[in-house]
Amino acid sequence: GALVYQYPRRTICKSGTSMRMECQAVGFQATSVAWYRQSPQKTFELIALSTVNSAIKYEQNFTQEKFPISHPNLSFSSMTVLNAYLEDRGLYLCGASYWGNYAEQFFGPGTRLTVL
Amino acid sequence: QQQVRQSPQSLTVWEGETAILNCSYEDSTFDYFPWYWQFPRESPALLIAIRPVSNKKEDGRFTIFFNKREKKLSLHITDSQPGDSATYFCAAGYTGANTGKLTFGHGTILRVHP
Repeated sequence: GALVYQYPRRTICKSGTSMRMECQAVGFQATSVAWYRQSPQKTFELIALSTVNSAIKYEQNFTQEKFPISHPNLSFSSMTVLNAYLEDRGLYLCGASYWGNYAEQFFGPGTRLTVL
Repeated sequence: QQQVRQSPQSLTVWEGETAILNCSYEDSTFDYFPWYWQFPRESPALLIAIRPVSNKKEDGRFTIFFNKREKKLSLHITDSQPGDSATYFCAAGYTGANTGKLTFGHGTILRVHP
């Protein structure tokens, strides 16, 4: 079956520091990887969509300078939260999907970021 | 402008009743509509999804009714069980070049009392 792993599951960082989170797809080729953030009491905001052989597309209010993403192959993606502050706290989800399956997105368990 | 809206914000039903969760969207180019459910401290999981070629999708006790003209859809949960208590998110996406990009509603918190 299709599985998505994320690491770490929880992390705490000091304000102004950076942290990197990873996403791994198992059992399928992740031609698209989307990163979302669920802030406390909010819905899921799309940060960026990374599709193989295309440039990474960032949504409004999110930039590559703040959330650099790497998607080097069809099973792995990573995102870094640079210079994290309180408003960056939340649950970061990786959603992986592949062509030919009607955009069904498989979510990892998420990385919960706490900023002190 | 919020692209995907859900109502109600929260809903309480008794065990055995039918829960109806509503969703509407703005962008007529959306062509994929998944519903996710999320339990406390867990990530969302795909529950059921529909594409505009159909106006109904059924999976056990869960049914999506879709109205393309009005850009509305609803999730019906028949014979609700306490284990169905969760937050339900309606999402909208694309199956073409933007596959993998989903826009989520704010969710409906469903509580099923035994």
